[in-house]
Amino acid sequence: GAVVSQHPSRVICKSGTSVKIECRSLDFQATTMFWYRQFPKQSLMLMATSNEGSKATYEQGVEKDKFLINHASLTLSTLTVTSAHPEDSSFYICSARGWAGREGMNTEAFFGQGTRLTVV
Amino acid sequence: AQKVTQAQTEISVVEKEDVTLDCVYETRDTTYYLFWYKQPPSGELVFLIRRNSFDEQNEISGRYSWNFQKSTSSFNFTITASQVVDSAVYFCALRRTNDYKLSFGAGTTVTVRA
Repeated sequence: GAVVSQHPSRVICKSGTSVKIECRSLDFQATTMFWYRQFPKQSLMLMATSNEGSKATYEQGVEKDKFLINHASLTLSTLTVTSAHPEDSSFYICSARGWAGREGMNTEAFFGQGTRLTVV
Repeated sequence: AQKVTQAQTEISVVEKEDVTLDCVYETRDTTYYLFWYKQPPSGELVFLIRRNSFDEQNEISGRYSWNFQKSTSSFNFTITASQVVDSAVYFCALRRTNDYKLSFGAGTTVTVRA
């Protein structure tokens, strides 16, 4: 089945530094990738949508200059948290949409493993 | 606007009991998709089911079953004969037919005690 791989699974960084999170589609071409954020004991909130080769579309309230998204290829999207602060500590998770396999299985429903970011 | 409501914050049951998770949604669209995901303590989201709004047939998959009632905008999920491994947070989600962004409910934490 379709697999979405996210790396790293956990990261601890110092306040003021930047962190890059990768989201890869392993066996299909991801035309669109989504980035969600989940604070402890809360639901998942969409941050942005990225289409391969074009600029990401950010949800209201999400700072595009702080959360840089790059979707340069059909198998890789990256989220960079710039100048991270403790309030950015959260669980970040990506999902990818595309088509896989001979039968054209819609892969929209699959998520990466998530990245737990802790900013100290 | 899309909205998903999971009124139950936490449910605790003893192993082998059945547990039903409620999901009520709001949408102005006539066609849409509904989802259920499981999030174990490790954090990853495990896809359980996707249902097209055209398809109101109930579905059973092993110990899992889903009851979709369009008339009441509900898509409830039942775990039969629960097991400790079912302990997780379960999310109901909704998306529009032509937009792949998901709107999630708040989640229901299920704890199954041995």
